[in-house]
Amino acid sequence: GAVVSQHPSWVICKSGTSVKIECRSLDFQATTMFWYRQFPKKSLMLMATSNEGSKATYEQGVEKDKFLINHASLTLSTLTVTSAHPEDSSFYICSVSARGGETQYFGPGTRLLVL
Amino acid sequence: KQEVTQIPAALSVPEGENLVLNCSFTDSAIYNLQWFRQDPGKGLTSLLLIQSSQREQTSGRLNASLDKSSGRSTLYIAASQPGDSATYLCAAHFSGTYKYIFGTGTRLKVLA
Repeated sequence: GAVVSQHPSWVICKSGTSVKIECRSLDFQATTMFWYRQFPKKSLMLMATSNEGSKATYEQGVEKDKFLINHASLTLSTLTVTSAHPEDSSFYICSVSARGGETQYFGPGTRLLVL
Repeated sequence: KQEVTQIPAALSVPEGENLVLNCSFTDSAIYNLQWFRQDPGKGLTSLLLIQSSQREQTSGRLNASLDKSSGRSTLYIAASQPGDSATYLCAAHFSGTYKYIFGTGTRLKVLA
């Protein structure tokens, strides 16, 4: 399987600031990357899907202007939480797959705390 | 609706016991299913991936099975240790979709 890393592993920021989270596929050509979010004591939910070089496709209810996703290369995707608020505090996880691939390989996740 | 359920939500066992964690899914048409471990406040660690064509996968003291016809997967942990204490999540990739559906997890505590 693919090795996926995320950076940072956790971040604390003040309300109103923007936070960028990186997802890197270290040994795999990730044509598609996914971003999931975990709410406290709930399942992980898909936020958006991005194909390399294309705009991300967001799930219903996810604000695309708040959660900016860039997938500029086959090894890197970034999620930027803009003007973060305490309710954005959560655990964000990325996964990667090859084009048409049925298996996603997950990163370890990034924990965000907005004060 | 495609759903993944994990019961029980929490489980405590004495050290050394063999145990089974359950995961059920509503649609038998799946590509694959994954089991993960999540320590408190930490990230996900992938434990086992079972493809649709497979019946089970093993890694060390862990064995995961998949029965598509009954919509069930189990994670068997042999000779449990306190270090196994964590939340265990299963996630299914249903055919015809592009996302994994996660269960809410089973919080395991192994008592020394």
